[in-house]
Amino acid sequence: GENVEQHPSTLSVQEGDSAVIKCTYSDSASNYFPWYKQELGKRPQLIIDIRSNVGEKKDQRIAVTLNKTAKHFSLHITETQPEDSAVYFCAGSDYGGSQGNLIFGKGTKLSVKP
Amino acid sequence: ETGVTQSPTHLIKTRGQQVTLRCSSQSGHNTVSWYQQALGQGPQFIFQYYREEENGRGNFPPRFSGLQFPNYSSELNVNALELDDSALYLCASSSLAGVTGELFFGEGSRLTVL
Repeated sequence: GENVEQHPSTLSVQEGDSAVIKCTYSDSASNYFPWYKQELGKRPQLIIDIRSNVGEKKDQRIAVTLNKTAKHFSLHITETQPEDSAVYFCAGSDYGGSQGNLIFGKGTKLSVKP
Repeated sequence: ETGVTQSPTHLIKTRGQQVTLRCSSQSGHNTVSWYQQALGQGPQFIFQYYREEENGRGNFPPRFSGLQFPNYSSELNVNALELDDSALYLCASSSLAGVTGELFFGEGSRLTVL
């Protein structure tokens, strides 16, 4: 089955700097890769996703890139703000995402220092 | 639009007992997935229900079972509780007819097994 590895486990940046989180997946059949943000004590919330027919997607300060050949994908946050501090999870799915069989990475705790 | 709601929010059980957790899916969603999130880890897929039937299962033993009702709400049952079952249990709803494939998570039920 699918296995998703995520690194780093913790990341500390200064406000205004960029942050990059990387994930690798094992199942070449995976075709949907969402990123979730989970603030302390709150539910995970989708921040951006990408499908395997696209190499890059951007939404304001957040972007995701996908390299199918290397089986890795990355989250890029530019101009970080203190409210970006949270745990970020990447996930892979080989059912197009809507069927819910998401395999999550172990998470990256991002701290943005003012 | 009503979001995903879960109950109870917190509960404490002793080893060997049984527990039932409940989830109401977001309005218009017909699919419910359950995840176990241990402290400091990413959510792990337990199973998914669609049209009242199990539609995919992760690597969890048979003592983890579930139900989905005609109104798409769902229950997660865990028998013979073990200490390692202590975790946050997240329910997520989605629509197989959806375009984005996004999972909408509830706030979770935090289970402590003593």
